[in-house]
Amino acid sequence: QQQVKQSPQSLIVQKGGISIINCAYENTAFDYFPWYQQFPGKGPALLIAIRPDVSEKKEGRFTISFNKSAKQFSLHIMDSQPGDSATYFCAASIPNDYKLSFGAGTTVTVRA
Amino acid sequence: SAVISQKPSRDICQRGTSLTIQCQVDSQVTMMFWYRQQPGQSLTLIATANQGSEATYESGFVIDKFPISRPNLTFSTLTVSNMSPEDSSIYLCSVLLRYEQFFGPGTRLTVL
Repeated sequence: QQQVKQSPQSLIVQKGGISIINCAYENTAFDYFPWYQQFPGKGPALLIAIRPDVSEKKEGRFTISFNKSAKQFSLHIMDSQPGDSATYFCAASIPNDYKLSFGAGTTVTVRA
Repeated sequence: SAVISQKPSRDICQRGTSLTIQCQVDSQVTMMFWYRQQPGQSLTLIATANQGSEATYESGFVIDKFPISRPNLTFSTLTVSNMSPEDSSIYLCSVLLRYEQFFGPGTRLTVL
């Protein structure tokens, strides 16, 4: 079964809007939570990652929020641009294992 | 990050044949991984390939079907053996570099 549950499956946002993707997990041993961006025909590209010792991490227009007690984390894309249209995957791994468990993916469409 | 290449980028194969996919990285890495991504789906880990040891396979994947070689710290191969149409997928290698995982561009395999 999928160890990381991701929602929504798809979303449409207007240019300049905020895209929000949520992920939830059950395994409390997870300690590394990356987000990947994948364009059609390309491999996933590491976007941003967080560890449980911080509640938020921001890189440019991309922010991860992490709620350890709720076992949830989310990706916020601020000021969404048409070039952000892609599929986004959350993932998680346990210490010293490095094997990634991926969410189902969210297809984001940014309308100009 | 790392520069990762895969060969071939795509192939169309006949049922019952085998295909070997190559993965080359521009720096020495201890851990390499092979994933499968079925059309429109998420990524599923096939196996972990460490140089100098046998590959370790995830549940549902076996060495006879997906033999892996890891002859040095910059190269690995995955063979998809005795292919059937159900093997039609994108096959991705990834490398662990400074505790982050980076993906190659993928090999798109179609089995007729």
